[in-house]
Amino acid sequence: AQKITQTQPGMFVQEKEAVTLDCTYDTSDPSYGLFWYKQPSSGEMIFLIYQGSYDQQNATEGRYSLNFQKARKSANLVISASQLGDSAMYFCAMRELNFGNEKLTFGTGTRLTIIP
Amino acid sequence: SQTIHQWPATLVQPVGSPLSLECTVEGTSNPNLYWYRQAAGRGLQLLFYSVGIGQISSEVPQNLSASRPQDRQFILSSKKLLLSDSGFYLCAWSSGEATLAKNIQYFGAGTRLSVL
Repeated sequence: AQKITQTQPGMFVQEKEAVTLDCTYDTSDPSYGLFWYKQPSSGEMIFLIYQGSYDQQNATEGRYSLNFQKARKSANLVISASQLGDSAMYFCAMRELNFGNEKLTFGTGTRLTIIP
Repeated sequence: SQTIHQWPATLVQPVGSPLSLECTVEGTSNPNLYWYRQAAGRGLQLLFYSVGIGQISSEVPQNLSASRPQDRQFILSSKKLLLSDSGFYLCAWSSGEATLAKNIQYFGAGTRLSVL
């Protein structure tokens, strides 16, 4: 089974609207971390937000928030008030503390296009 | 602050030629270092990681090798490139705090390799 699943290959969103990018994960490790990265056309991977498996509250970083539903094993990224500069590939990733050592496992990504 | 440098940005090499990609990190000591490959339109695949000088872990069998001659230097090499080695190569670093799930990996700008 895929450890990280991103079911939306591409999304088109009107500027200033909110957007939710889906991510589900699969692990039996009780200690894990979930990450979201943004990859603009230049190629660099930019860290956006982190959620730990034991965190009680959903993570937020500026316009980014993570909708963490542990029982459903989902970690959706929410971008509020989208901007043209948000157009990029977005990757969800997981680190399993006990099973994966140093490994980050990435999903296949979602290409987000913001329409003016 | 910490910075990661990766070069060259773009490389076109003939099949059978050698390869050397270099990555250096500044502003930190004893980082964990990583090499990833990203095929076109795909997620990232971890190739190698290193937790210290001379310590290399390989994730997938392949035509490539990695070395860490200095604390903050990570080199990806090949003796003879194959067509299938084409892709986007990203170097990343994280702090040596392996006991934390929140061990954020920070990426370089990447090298786009075309093997012809």
